[in-house]
Amino acid sequence: QQQVKQSPQSLIVQKGGISIINCAYENTAFDYFPWYQQFPGKGPALLIAIRPDVSEKKEGRFTISFNKSAKQFSLHIMDSQPGDSATYFCAATMNTGNQFYFGTGTSLTVIP
Amino acid sequence: GAGVSQTPSNKVTEKGKYVELRCDPISGHTALYWYRQSLGQGPEFLIYFQGTGAADDSGLPNDRFFAVRPEGSVSTLKIQRTERGDSAVYLCASSYSGSFEQFFGPGTRLTVL
Repeated sequence: QQQVKQSPQSLIVQKGGISIINCAYENTAFDYFPWYQQFPGKGPALLIAIRPDVSEKKEGRFTISFNKSAKQFSLHIMDSQPGDSATYFCAATMNTGNQFYFGTGTSLTVIP
Repeated sequence: GAGVSQTPSNKVTEKGKYVELRCDPISGHTALYWYRQSLGQGPEFLIYFQGTGAADDSGLPNDRFFAVRPEGSVSTLKIQRTERGDSAVYLCASSYSGSFEQFFGPGTRLTVL
């Protein structure tokens, strides 16, 4: 059973546009929600993360929106650039930090 | 500073063989994780170490998989009697104790023929 469901599977955005990736979860014990960026042949790299006590977190062009009641969170990439073309994964873990559950990934392509 | 390193970067083996995959975490990181990533999928948790002990090995798929971290630094993932379904990229990540910020290595691509 997929603990974290991610959509869309792929996304094409024009340069300068907004990229939006969505994730949903069921386990209310999840306490930490990170987003990772992965380039081909590389391991995932932490992009930004949020805890459920806030509804939004922004770091540069990247924003996480978190809806605790709906058990959903999303990544917004503002002013998308070709260099943002990568696969993005959402994830979740409980406060023990033992297991991280990853979504299935979104392949983002930013067209110049 | 140096990041997480994994060796080998690629491993091709035959069905039924034994393989060892190595992970060198960032110095000072006491937490270490192993994940398996199949093509087009997200990383799937295998095992988590805190120091030398396996704090959570519930993600290991069966008893053919085993991991050790004898001195609390380098870890080795061992797979016995490999099967074609074991083909995947095996990722290692490390973090400071109490931090949820994981740093991933580049992975080892395992191909079982």
